[in-house]
Amino acid sequence: AQRVTQPEKLLSVFKGAPVELKCNYSYSGSPELFWYVQYSRQRLQLLLRHISRESIKGFTADLNKGETSFHLKKPFAQEEDSAMYYCALSPINPQGGSEKLVFGKGTKLTVNP
Amino acid sequence: GAGVSQSPRYKVAKRGQDVALRCDPISGHVSLFWYQQALGQGPEFLTYFQNEAQLDKSGLPSDRFFAERPEGSVSTLKIQRTQQEDSAVYLCASSRGVMETQYFGPGTRLLVL
Repeated sequence: AQRVTQPEKLLSVFKGAPVELKCNYSYSGSPELFWYVQYSRQRLQLLLRHISRESIKGFTADLNKGETSFHLKKPFAQEEDSAMYYCALSPINPQGGSEKLVFGKGTKLTVNP
Repeated sequence: GAGVSQSPRYKVAKRGQDVALRCDPISGHVSLFWYQQALGQGPEFLTYFQNEAQLDKSGLPSDRFFAERPEGSVSTLKIQRTQQEDSAVYLCASSRGVMETQYFGPGTRLLVL
């Protein structure tokens, strides 16, 4: 079964503090992993994906296959980072087919001034 | 350029009514996905199209849900005999192709009374 778990529903930090949003996944194969973000009154948008290994808006995420985790980190949080964050996986199917996303329930991050 | 658009943005239906939700993907995008997002949950996959072919409908919760994309562009998600548990935000996403980034629309918020 494919499952994504985000253990924290809410996370609150102060501006300038480090932030880590946790994500664990369950999948028998090798999935592609993503972080999506939804700012207030905006649509869901891609923040970063594992395969591209980019750092976006100062965020990074490292895939730990042993712990099946893909935690999102930023060393110095900013107020504009306040948003809803969703971790997601997409099964990599060599035979093609649906690249559907399986999402966690999300973590609401609040960065206080 | 224009992103994914969805209409209507809000829909109130009486229990038992049929509803139709429209998605206009980004021009040229081959893949189209529908997701359902209940309150406080992450998006859940409903169905996937590659051009006009519906390749995966494993996430449709019942035979009351039907989706089509007859010309490989605009898609319609139809829900027959709506029930209160159908109340959710319905998200559409499109991508250029296999394993490409999915771009989400603003969603249609459906409330069934």
